[in-house]
Amino acid sequence: EAGVVQSPRYKIIEKKQPVAFWCNPISGHNTLYWYRQNLGQGPELLIRYENEEAVDDSQLPKDRFSAERLKGVDSTLKIQPAELGDSAVYLCASSLGQGLRETQYFGPGTRLLVL
Amino acid sequence: AQRVTQPEKLLSVFKGAPVELKCNYSYSGSPELFWYVQYSRQRLQLLLRHISRESIKGFTADLNKGETSFHLKKPFAQEEDSAMYYCALSGGSNYKLTFGKGTLLTVNP
Repeated sequence: EAGVVQSPRYKIIEKKQPVAFWCNPISGHNTLYWYRQNLGQGPELLIRYENEEAVDDSQLPKDRFSAERLKGVDSTLKIQPAELGDSAVYLCASSLGQGLRETQYFGPGTRLLVL
Repeated sequence: AQRVTQPEKLLSVFKGAPVELKCNYSYSGSPELFWYVQYSRQRLQLLLRHISRESIKGFTADLNKGETSFHLKKPFAQEEDSAMYYCALSGGSNYKLTFGKGTLLTVNP
C-alpha cells in the first residue's frame, strides 16, 4: 500500500505565478482533506471533500485558491496568483469516511517556496 | 471555537526518563482527542486516540475533562521516540481536525 501520494514534493516559484498540487488518496477512501502547515505551526484545514463534493471549504482563501476532486478520487489544489505568504507545506490526507473517529492518513506533503 | 494548546515547543529528556507532553484544549462539546507523531523525514501519522484507551509504543494519554487536558505520557523514553508530536481535536458536525502547534521531543542517550 503506497499510502497517500502527493506531487510534487517541492516547488519553488516566483510570486504572482500559479502553482498546482496533486493528491491521490488511499484506494477506497471517500474523504479527502487539504491542509496547510506554516513553519512552526500545526496543520490547518483548507478544504474537505466527501467523494467529489466539497463539504467544508470555509478556510479556503477563495480569491486565489481553488480545488477540485473530479470523479471523487484524486484531487488538485491550485493557487493563482501565489503570494509570499503562501510559502508552506501543503498536506493531503484521506480517510475511509467522515466522522469524529475516522483516522486520517497523511501524505508526505508538498513544500512550497514563493520568492 | 476549537483550540488546542501545546505549551512546550521543545522538550528534551534523557533515555529512560519519564516524559509528558502537555496538551490543553478548548471546546464546548464532547471532543475526540488524538495524538499525531511525525518522525524525521516521515509523514504525519496517528499515534493514539483517547476513545481507544490504548497504549501505543508505550505511550498513553488520558482525557481529563475537568482540566480540559490530554497529556501524552511514557514512563521510560527511548531514543527512537524523538519526533514532533501534535495534539489534535475533532468535534462538532463538521468533523474538523484542529491541531496544536506541536512539541519537538528529543531523547538524549
